[in-house]
Amino acid sequence: GAVVSQHPSWVICKSGTSVKIECRSLDFQATTMFWYRQFPKQSLMLMATSNEGSKATYEQGVEKDKFLINHASLTLSTLTVTSAHPEDSSFYICSASESGNTGPHFGDGTRLSIL
Amino acid sequence: GENVEQHPSTLSVQEGDSAVIKCTYSDSASNYFPWYKQELGKGPQLIIDIRSNVGEKKDQRIAVTLNKTAKHFSLHITETQPEDSAVYFCAARLYNFNKFYFGSGTKLNVKP
Repeated sequence: GAVVSQHPSWVICKSGTSVKIECRSLDFQATTMFWYRQFPKQSLMLMATSNEGSKATYEQGVEKDKFLINHASLTLSTLTVTSAHPEDSSFYICSASESGNTGPHFGDGTRLSIL
Repeated sequence: GENVEQHPSTLSVQEGDSAVIKCTYSDSASNYFPWYKQELGKGPQLIIDIRSNVGEKKDQRIAVTLNKTAKHFSLHITETQPEDSAVYFCAARLYNFNKFYFGSGTKLNVKP
């Protein structure tokens, strides 16, 4: 079945560092990928929709200069958390749909810890 | 936009019993409803889905029902096993939009 790979799975870094997270669709092409943030024991909060070859669409309240998204190919989207601070610590998950008619498949998430 | 509500937030059952999780949605234009299982430290995994032209779908021990008139859909797990313990999310997608709205999640605990 469709597989979405996310890397890295866990990042610990100092405050002020920029962190890049990769999301890849391994056996299908995805013109659209989604980035979510999940706090402990809470649901998935959609941050942005990543569109191949065009600018990402950000949800209200999400700083686009803080969370840079690049969807350079049909199988890769990246999320860069710029100048990360402790409040950015969270679980970040990406998803991609194999087609417009099926539910998205999720990566295994990236746990980001900013010291 | 769409608003998806999910109940209960936690559910504890004895191994072998059935578990039911319910979701409601607000926008009648939603036409696709996937369910996800999320284990600790992992991303959600698609386990079953249903489209608005179908009232029920079953896959082994899990089934989903949809009532379009009442705008609610449910996940049914029969003969529960300890490995079914996880957080389950329902979701809804608006027709012609590629955006999914998620419920708040249900933590299912199956006691051996």
